[in-house]
Amino acid sequence: EIVLTQSPGTLSLSPGERATLSCRASQSVSSSYLAWYQQKPGQAPRLLIYGASSRATGIPDRFSGSGSGTDFTLTISRLEPEDFAVYYCQQYGSSLRTFGQGTKVEIK
Amino acid sequence: QVQLQESGPGLVKPSQTLSLTCTVSGGSISSGSYYWSWIRQPAGKGLEWIGRIYTSGSTNYNPSLKSRVTISVDTSKNQFSLKLSSVTAADTAVYYCARDRPGWPFDYWGQGTLVTVSS
Repeated sequence: EIVLTQSPGTLSLSPGERATLSCRASQSVSSSYLAWYQQKPGQAPRLLIYGASSRATGIPDRFSGSGSGTDFTLTISRLEPEDFAVYYCQQYGSSLRTFGQGTKVEIK
Repeated sequence: QVQLQESGPGLVKPSQTLSLTCTVSGGSISSGSYYWSWIRQPAGKGLEWIGRIYTSGSTNYNPSLKSRVTISVDTSKNQFSLKLSSVTAADTAVYYCARDRPGWPFDYWGQGTLVTVSS
């Protein structure tokens, strides 16, 4: 099982600031099959990034992903009010799909 | 546009079997090379993948739940289902159904349904 560890657990920032979220895998994620999701209260997760760095349809370009192997990063260049939410990374390179424990981005 | 909708009892007694169904609309569940998964989320906690069924009918389960989980598909109704046996309070969660495919993440999700395990 590939264990994904996200850091920090909580990020307290102001609108307009830059957010940098980390996701570290216990073993290499094949073909960079790493995705990021955003989840707001009472809603299902929404796909933001796939293939470590490709934005899903309709996702603003302030969201970007990078990384390979075991270290991945989600960057939100300038936080908008609607970006305050919980973010999860997920690997889909193995038949046992796993998620990170989440990073909450909250308003400072 | 593919849509997924979970349905089933919101309350299950301890030691009983939790049964949920996901109805797929906007496309055939048996067309293409898709995985149909169940994922759950206890209140205030993270996401846990439970297992999936492939278009061919083959299944994969999370080892932590494998002994209690069965996922099946009914192509005539365009549905797939989850059965989780011997439930305890620890199985209380929002249960989501979702779709992915080889080399692709979960792109469609149901809205989720809360299942509470309590006597």
